Amino acid sequence: GAGVSQSPSNKVTEKGKDVELRCDPISGHTALYWYRQRLGQGLEFLIYFQGNSAPDKSGLPSDRFSAERTGESVSTLTIQRTQQEDSAVYLCASCAKGAYEQYFGPGTRLTVT
Amino acid sequence: AQSVTQLDSQVPVFEEAPVELRCNYSSSVSVYLFWYVQYPNQGLQLLLKYLSGSTLVKGINGFEAEFIKSQTSFHLRKPSVHISDTAEYFCAVSAAYSGAGSYQLTFGKGTKLSVIP
Repeated sequence: GAGVSQSPSNKVTEKGKDVELRCDPISGHTALYWYRQRLGQGLEFLIYFQGNSAPDKSGLPSDRFSAERTGESVSTLTIQRTQQEDSAVYLCASCAKGAYEQYFGPGTRLTVT
Repeated sequence: AQSVTQLDSQVPVFEEAPVELRCNYSSSVSVYLFWYVQYPNQGLQLLLKYLSGSTLVKGINGFEAEFIKSQTSFHLRKPSVHISDTAEYFCAVSAAYSGAGSYQLTFGKGTKLSVIP
């Protein structure tokens, strides 16, 4: 079956612009996570969605970051007024209900110039 | 909160030689443990996981890992590596219980395995 997909695969933007990143989870997966991978670093948790419950936003680094998900479908991560330190690969993962294995998408490489 | 330490940032090894990639973690609660592999320009793929039961777990591509609670370690091993194993390997942990329902992963910084022909 289809895995987690993300778009765009690459995004170059100017400092100060807003960007929107998209994640399509595996069909039927109720949980969805966003992570950020900066160069030479491990992945950092950003936000978690589970069905229609309130999201866990504890990992968002600033109020410039926000994310939405409607039900168990697509999620979008929005970064407003991008800064150079936002340059990273943004990875999305989904997980089936009752399971603990997260399945990752290929990521979106964001470069802020 | 949890933390993960991968002591080796790079490990070169000759083809068909054994390899061990080290992972230690810190946590005040019980944890689940994972190893992921990332091939160049690809997302992360789950290699193996420890949730409960036998502390020696086997994964894909001939890899295995042993959970030693007393040493807070979860080292990854393979008895004979292939060129195709060249990739970056990440150790990750999550709390074994989450009242909020989020089993977010805390990752180490990764170990780049280079297999030399």
